[in-house]
Amino acid sequence: KQEVTQIPAALSVPEGENLVLNCSFTDSAIYNLQWFRQDPGKGLTSLLLIQSSQREQTSGRLNASLDKSSGRSTLYIAASQPGDSATYLCAVSQGGKLIFGQGTELSVKP
Amino acid sequence: GAGVSQSPRYKVAKRGQDVALRCDPISGHVSLFWYQQALGQGPEFLTYFQNEAQLDKSGLPSDRFFAERPEGSVSTLKIQRTQQEDSAVYLCASSQESVYGYTFGSGTRLTVV
Repeated sequence: KQEVTQIPAALSVPEGENLVLNCSFTDSAIYNLQWFRQDPGKGLTSLLLIQSSQREQTSGRLNASLDKSSGRSTLYIAASQPGDSATYLCAVSQGGKLIFGQGTELSVKP
Repeated sequence: GAGVSQSPRYKVAKRGQDVALRCDPISGHVSLFWYQQALGQGPEFLTYFQNEAQLDKSGLPSDRFFAERPEGSVSTLKIQRTQQEDSAVYLCASSQESVYGYTFGSGTRLTVV
């Protein structure tokens, strides 16, 4: 059974820092991996989608990597801003559905 | 529509009451998913439709949960005889194809009192 783990569960950094969020999964037979952002009381906003054949995707200050063989993905956020404060979720697509980690709650202090 | 629309945004139900949650996916999206998200947790899969066919309902927690998508567009998640443990945010997502990823709605926050 696929299990997705995100470390750390919570992270607090000062504004301007670069940071890395980690995601690991137990079964490497995934179709793709997607990173989402969730603001309090809101739904999920898709940030980056990495196909299983890809190694990384970039969007603005965000860069996501995927190492399928080791079952790991990282989300790198450059020059963090208070507006980046949210919960970040990674999810793997397998068997036609998404399997989520528990999320990392990020707080960026001004 | 431009995005996935869910209604109502908030629902308070008395224990034992039946509730119906609606999801209006992005037009043309073949696949539709329901997820349950407890406070402080990641979303958990409930069920999945491809057009009107319910292909996977393995995540439905009990036979009190029922989902339908009769015309392959709008979907309804029904919970009968609600219990306190049903309190959660119910998220709907749609997808054109898995390769393009999934788009989520804002969710329905259900509170059972």
